[in-house]
Parts: sequence; C-alpha cells; structure tokens
Amino acid sequence: EIVLTQSPGTLSLSPGERATLSCRASQSVTSSYLAWYQQKPGQAPRLLIYGASSRATGIPDRFSGSGSGTDFTLTISRLEPEDFAVYYCQQYGGSPQYTFGQGTKLEIK
Amino acid sequence: QVQLVESGGGLVKPGGSLRLSCAASGFTFSDYYMTWIRQAPGKGLEWISYISSSSSYTNYADSVRGRFSVSRDNAKNSLYLQMNSLRAEDAAVYYCARRITATGQIDYWGQGTLVTVSS
Repeated sequence: EIVLTQSPGTLSLSPGERATLSCRASQSVTSSYLAWYQQKPGQAPRLLIYGASSRATGIPDRFSGSGSGTDFTLTISRLEPEDFAVYYCQQYGGSPQYTFGQGTKLEIK
Repeated sequence: QVQLVESGGGLVKPGGSLRLSCAASGFTFSDYYMTWIRQAPGKGLEWISYISSSSSYTNYADSVRGRFSVSRDNAKNSLYLQMNSLRAEDAAVYYCARRITATGQIDYWGQGTLVTVSS
C-alpha cells in the first residue's frame, strides 16, 4: 500500500509570503499520477495540480507543483488571503487505487 | 458547466442500508469514469470506489469491499452507491466526483451528502 505523508501538518504564514508544502510517498509514484487539491471549510476539494506539475483550469500561476519519485512539493509563491485552506496530495494507480495524504492546514499567522 | 449533485444521505442505524445518488450534468457522462470519495467529520479524504464509463470495471477500497456497490445509468446521467451493513465508521460526507480516465486525477466534485450512522 502506498502511503502519502504530508508535512508540515500545519503551516502558519502571512499573506504575501511563500508557502512550501511537502508530500512524501512510501513507494515511488508515477509523476503523471500525482495531484494536489485545496479544500476550504464546508466546501468540496478543488483540483489544483495534476501530473505533479500541471495547473488545472483556472488555477492562478502562483500555484506550482514539482517533484518525482517519492518526493513532491506544492509551492504557493505569494500567499493571498483566499489561499488559507487545507491542501491534500493524492496518488493514483498504486494499491489501493487512490490514496490521499493526511493534509496540510495552511493558516494565517 | 459541470455539475454533480449528490442525494440520499441521512441517518441510518448500524447494520442498515442506504443508497446514494449523484446527478451529473454539463458534460458527456458516458465518456467518464466516476468515483466516490468520503470524508469523516474533521478528517481527511478517503477514496471508496470507482466505476468505468461503461460499467465494465469497478474497484473498491478494502474498507468497503463486499458491503458497498457502485453502479451507473448513463441514460439517466446518474451514479449510485449502494451501502449495506453500515458501521459507525462509515459516517462521513460522501462526494461524487469525475475522474480523468488516463491519469486518475479528480477534476470535478459534487458538494457532498452527509451519512450519519447511529442507533
């Protein structure tokens, strides 16, 4: 079973700062099958990044993804007030078919 | 625009059954794999099941295999999740979501329906 571990659990930053979120897999993940989602309270998740580094439709370019193998990163270059949320990484194709990380909460400092 | 609207959630006793529905619109439903994902209160996301575009393939998480069954009706643009032998740990918001077939990312989610399992 592929386990995704996200760090840190909570990240406290101020608007305008840079955020770096990590997702580490217990086994190698095909980059094509690594995605990132944003979830705000009371809302469904929203797809941000797929294929490890491709932005989904309508996602601002301050969001970027990188990484390969077992280490992946979501970077938000300059935080906007609406970016404070919980972020999940997700892999597809391993066992089980889908796994999600436990999430990183990005909170306002 | 793409819309996914779940229904059928509610309060059920342990051991009971519930059938969730998801009405899809704004895209060619029969072209896409669909999936169910749940989120227990205050917890993270857990994939439950997916079904292929023609219903030929289904897959389930170990936690629900043998108890839950996914199906779809392409003529009605609808996705279903039959949940039997419900347990307290099945209580969650259940999301219907569209899956990109080749690479598996989930590009559209419904708003979710809440399932509560309690006596």
